[in-house]
Amino acid sequence: NAGVTQTPKFQVLKTGQSMTLQCAQDMNHNSMYWYRQDPGMGLRLIYYSASEGTTDKGEVPNGYNVSRLNKREFSLRLESAAPSQTSVYFCASSESGGYNQPQHFGDGTRLSIL
Amino acid sequence: LAKTTQPISMDSYEGQEVNITCSHNNIATNDYITWYQQFPSQGPRFIIQGYKTKVTNEVASLFIPADRKSSTLSLPRVSLSDTAVYYCLVGDINDMRFGAGTRLTVKP
Repeated sequence: NAGVTQTPKFQVLKTGQSMTLQCAQDMNHNSMYWYRQDPGMGLRLIYYSASEGTTDKGEVPNGYNVSRLNKREFSLRLESAAPSQTSVYFCASSESGGYNQPQHFGDGTRLSIL
Repeated sequence: LAKTTQPISMDSYEGQEVNITCSHNNIATNDYITWYQQFPSQGPRFIIQGYKTKVTNEVASLFIPADRKSSTLSLPRVSLSDTAVYYCLVGDINDMRFGAGTRLTVKP
């Protein structure tokens, strides 16, 4: 009964490095989301995928790319990491898109960029 | 596009009932109202969702007046473990925003 699994849990990068954050859900949900949360703030949507094969920008997409690999997996890539991207990243999934469906969240990836 | 407004913080004591109100004046006809709870170092957790009137589950109650321009999350007899940030969300896939939430602190 894993729900939403995110890897890695922690990562430290140097400015300019690239990396991919992985997310997988086992609830057969259609929609998946990537958020970032900065200290003391709420979550901000980076990208979402309403269904397999589609992706759309959220509130703060600059500097990120995503891939909906299949129904289970949704990855977030930082091509050239910047210190401003230091944050906690959460992946979530829901049966269908929008806030009318409850979202299930992973435990987050804590990313520090030096 | 619906925007929500919540108090930034609230304090309570163990055993008390806590009511957190969220205003959403521009809620659309087909929008539901959803509340999440977030503990430090964890992702948000779904608490309750409603469309109108009252919804109750094992964790909380949600009161929604007829005009749906606000909603109130009610937590009965809180304990120290209810200390968390509570988020109220309304909207659709084109307006997906978590606000700063309400930071509830339960004191002994």
